[in-house]
Amino acid sequence: GDSVTQMEGPVTLSEEAFLTINCTYTATGYPSLFWYVQYPGEGLQLLLKATKADDKGSNKGFEATYRKETTSFHLEKGSVQVSDSAVYFCALFKTSYDKVIFGPGTSLSVIP
Amino acid sequence: EPEVTQTPSHQVTQMGQEVILRCVPISNHLYFYWYRQILGQKVEFLVSFYNNEISEKSEIFDDQFSVERPDGSNFTLKIRSTKLEDSAMYFCARDAGSRETQYFGPGTRLLVL
Repeated sequence: GDSVTQMEGPVTLSEEAFLTINCTYTATGYPSLFWYVQYPGEGLQLLLKATKADDKGSNKGFEATYRKETTSFHLEKGSVQVSDSAVYFCALFKTSYDKVIFGPGTSLSVIP
Repeated sequence: EPEVTQTPSHQVTQMGQEVILRCVPISNHLYFYWYRQILGQKVEFLVSFYNNEISEKSEIFDDQFSVERPDGSNFTLKIRSTKLEDSAMYFCARDAGSRETQYFGPGTRLLVL
């Protein structure tokens, strides 16, 4: 079945470091891809999305590009802040099954 | 900012008891979803609900679970006889005009003792 794989955490970075969180997916057809973020003690927030190949989603300094040839949607940020500490979930959606499939999540801690 | 509220924020119950988790979408939407996240694990789909009917459900969503929209506003998830393994964070979600983009509520943390 369709699935999402993410790099295992936890990831610990110093403030202003460059962030990459790898995400790859397995799916037939053309899913839409998402990154959700979960801050400590809070719910899931949509961070960014891309709906077709080569689309780039961006928000709050984060970016991810839909790469169909490598079935990837890696999350990047040029300079992380302490406030970016959270769990990041890569996810996909297909209209044929009407649900979001999440990856396992990657915990990020940014230290001053 | 899209809004979905959930009540209660936390619930503690005894095994075998019934619980009802509520979701209140602020605006009128057609598609609603329930997901759960067992502590430290991935977010799992439970059920989708469209036009007052279940659209899709996962293997987790067995006969102990039910959903309804009793008054056209609230969207509820009922667990008839809770088990220890039902302890999790339960998220309600609604569509954002298109089904692919879903906005999640803050969650209800359920603890079954």
